[in-house]
Amino acid sequence: NAGVTQTPKFQVLKTGQSMTLQCAQDMNHEYMSWYRQDPGMGLRLIHYSVGAGITDQGEVPNGYNVSRSTTEDFPLRLLSAAPSQTSVYFCASSYSMFEVGGHNEQFFGPGTRLTVL
Amino acid sequence: AQTVTQSQPEMSVQEAETVTLSCTYDTSESDYYLFWYKQPPSRQMILVIRQEAYKQQNATENRFSVNFQKAAKSFSLKISDSQLGDAAMYFCAYRSPRGEGNLIFGKGTKLSVKP
Repeated sequence: NAGVTQTPKFQVLKTGQSMTLQCAQDMNHEYMSWYRQDPGMGLRLIHYSVGAGITDQGEVPNGYNVSRSTTEDFPLRLLSAAPSQTSVYFCASSYSMFEVGGHNEQFFGPGTRLTVL
Repeated sequence: AQTVTQSQPEMSVQEAETVTLSCTYDTSESDYYLFWYKQPPSRQMILVIRQEAYKQQNATENRFSVNFQKAAKSFSLKISDSQLGDAAMYFCAYRSPRGEGNLIFGKGTKLSVKP
């Protein structure tokens, strides 16, 4: 298994540009989520999905769009990039949004470092 | 809403010695899950250890153990026989059995290991 993969690893954008961060998992996980990590802030939830066709907002959703057309893929779209979106982005997945028998570890991708100029 | 607090932005330990990282949390729930994640310079988030709130026994994984004090809402991580490879950011995280299914993270503790 490749686990959770993210592309690209690094990206530089200009203000106003749009782009899509890709996330894929091959573990047949129902639950997928996007976090952003800022210095001194820990990780914060942007959007999440509990299954194909179902998405919802997290703590910091403004400026981001998601869709979940397949179980495997959960792309994150930046509609019009702003310097405040400079961050490291992590995609994560788990079998379910609920703890199942105490075994519902969230697996993280390697992250995408995004800089918006 | 639940919150997680890590009061030590940075810690340092001598190789082969023991260090304890602190974490406190606030919740009104009685059932929940707590985690420690390690983030080395590679950025990869690695699960170190987990604790179910309904279990009184403290979790242990090799050199890593926790001191879970439910009444005090405290969840500290002890690293024994510290190794150079333990140097990393460590994040404490909370997960509710309800709600959005996400992890709520503390701000992290940067651990340095001196040879």
